[in-house]
Amino acid sequence: AAGVIQSPRHLIKEKRETATLKCYPIPRHDTVYWYQQGPGQDPQFLISFYEKMQSDKGSIPDRFSAQQFSDYHSELNMSSLELGDSALYFCASSSIVSSTDTQYFGPGTRLTVL
Amino acid sequence: AQKITQTQPGMFVQEKEAVTLDCTYDTSDQSYGLFWYKQPSSGEMIFLIYQGSYDEQNATEGRYSLNFQKARKSANLVISASQLGDSAMYFCAMRPIQGAQKLVFGQGTRLTINP
Repeated sequence: AAGVIQSPRHLIKEKRETATLKCYPIPRHDTVYWYQQGPGQDPQFLISFYEKMQSDKGSIPDRFSAQQFSDYHSELNMSSLELGDSALYFCASSSIVSSTDTQYFGPGTRLTVL
Repeated sequence: AQKITQTQPGMFVQEKEAVTLDCTYDTSDQSYGLFWYKQPSSGEMIFLIYQGSYDEQNATEGRYSLNFQKARKSANLVISASQLGDSAMYFCAMRPIQGAQKLVFGQGTRLTINP
């Protein structure tokens, strides 16, 4: 079965640089979520999109923005990167019409800011 | 607001034994879903099992079962006949059922299976 695809898998950036993370949800899933997981921590919700519209926003810094495109893929744009942005970034997708609306996670993008 | 508490930072179990990972939750929502995810050292987040708040029967998926006690607000994961490959971090999570709602995670339990 098709899974959530994230690219790149690893990314190394310098402070103050920008980064773009991409997410391709499972086909026919209508909702995309972004989570940030710091070292030794649980995943924290950043932002979500339902049918290409932002549906919820969590603890996402103003330096970050995201959008979902017409083909349902999503991108997380991160600017003025800081050392504290080093983390594992997950994209998850779900289908709101499914009985459980389970969120399935991609493999994650590991971002290292030097 | 929702809160998940996992009180066991680490668990050590012998191979082939059963193990129970604890999860308690707090929510004001009437309808909610409870989830368990496994995170191996490679980092991916793997969905294991789901329990809806109105489900009368405990969920089971192969060797995984969820011991759901609604009055106690607990949703413990039971892994039967543990295997070496079960060594991983395990997260309990929840969200309201209606709408595109975010998951709230517990702190996780690191499970180590000894041969």
